[in-house]
Amino acid sequence: AQTVTQSQPEMSVQEAETVTLSCTYDTSESDYYLFWYKQPPSRQMILVIRQEAYKQQNATENRFSVNFQKAAKSFSLKISDSQLGDAAMYFCAYRTDSGNTPLVFGKGTRLSVIA
Amino acid sequence: DTAVSQTPKYLVTQMGNDKSIKCEQNLGHDTMYWYKQDSKKFLKIMFSYNNKELIINETVPNRFSPKSPDKAHLNLHINSLELGDSAVYFCASSPYRTSLYEQYFGPGTRLTVT
Repeated sequence: AQTVTQSQPEMSVQEAETVTLSCTYDTSESDYYLFWYKQPPSRQMILVIRQEAYKQQNATENRFSVNFQKAAKSFSLKISDSQLGDAAMYFCAYRTDSGNTPLVFGKGTRLSVIA
Repeated sequence: DTAVSQTPKYLVTQMGNDKSIKCEQNLGHDTMYWYKQDSKKFLKIMFSYNNKELIINETVPNRFSPKSPDKAHLNLHINSLELGDSAVYFCASSPYRTSLYEQYFGPGTRLTVT
């Protein structure tokens, strides 16, 4: 069974600084997808960024980027120029490439942004 | 326009009661899911439906019974509620043919059993 591990229960960052959230996963599959979801206090799950395992190039979305290391099964999220609105729970998630499989989530990292 | 909606958003009830949570998506997706988020924020799949057919049932007690009247709706009925059922329940949907597409989540239903 696939597992996703987020080793940092809590992180904090100064406004305008950069922070990296860690995620590792375990799978025997070769094709899969990885995601970072954000859950603010409103509890709505919001997709931040996605990565296809077959792509070597790291995904970027504005201030958000990932460092995808397939051999190491590592998928970290970097948030640049942190803003107060980035404060939230961040979940790393994995999904196999077989139709309609559910997401497997890590336990989340609570990010605080200090003004 | 709400993509995935859930009703109610909050539900407070007593042990032993039966309750339902409704979910609707207007995205035309084939697959719908129920996830449970516990008090420690851990999210775990409960059920998955594809075009009204149950395809995943993750060892959830049989007090939980999902029902999909059509592919746009997936409801969750819970019998004989227990204190441990208190959690946030999320409905989600996604297209069938590829895993690339994100899953779209509803706003969640916070269930409190007293």
